[in-house]
Amino acid sequence: EAGVAQSPRYKIIEKRQSVAFWCNPISGHATLYWYQQILGQGPKLLIQFQNNGVVDDSQLPKDRFSAERLKGVDSTLKIQPAKLEDSAVYLCASSLGTWQPNTGELFFGEGSRLTVL
Amino acid sequence: KNQVEQSPQSLIILEGKNCTLQCNYTVSPFSNLRWYKQDTGRGPVSLTIMTFSENTKSNGRYTATLDADTKQSSLHITASQLSDSASYICVVSDYKLSFGAGTTVTVRA
Repeated sequence: EAGVAQSPRYKIIEKRQSVAFWCNPISGHATLYWYQQILGQGPKLLIQFQNNGVVDDSQLPKDRFSAERLKGVDSTLKIQPAKLEDSAVYLCASSLGTWQPNTGELFFGEGSRLTVL
Repeated sequence: KNQVEQSPQSLIILEGKNCTLQCNYTVSPFSNLRWYKQDTGRGPVSLTIMTFSENTKSNGRYTATLDADTKQSSLHITASQLSDSASYICVVSDYKLSFGAGTTVTVRA
């Protein structure tokens, strides 16, 4: 079974530029998560989708971050404009769960490492 | 606010030795508790997931324990190997997932 795919693996940009990350979850997984992981910290949830609807985006900085999951499959996370503090690893995860999305096994991608100069 | 506290922040052990990592949480109500292993530069990988009724779960040389009354969990690594060098993250779920900051384990030959 193919895992969660993310791209790009690494991205270096200057502040105020824009960047987009892509995630393809495991086939059939209804729930998709985007996490931000700053060095030395645990992942912080940015947004959670169930199919193509948003379940939780309470910690997404909506003035600069946006995410979409068209057709309930793959997803993109965009940052515009980027700030220095956005330097982090952006992890995508998926789980099978539908009715109770937070009880299922969570599968993570390898992450996209963003450096903002 | 639901919190997950892990200790120690980091530890160094010699190959072949055992170690125990701690996780204390205030998440309530409680659905399940998970331990993940995150190698440097990789995404977290699930080691164990325990529900309220389970107090011990093993995955090879990894054994997780859960005391739901005291809201504590531990992860025990037996006969450590160099490949165990990683960050270990405790995650507690009610209707949301709450992540700890992780414990970084370094195994030295």
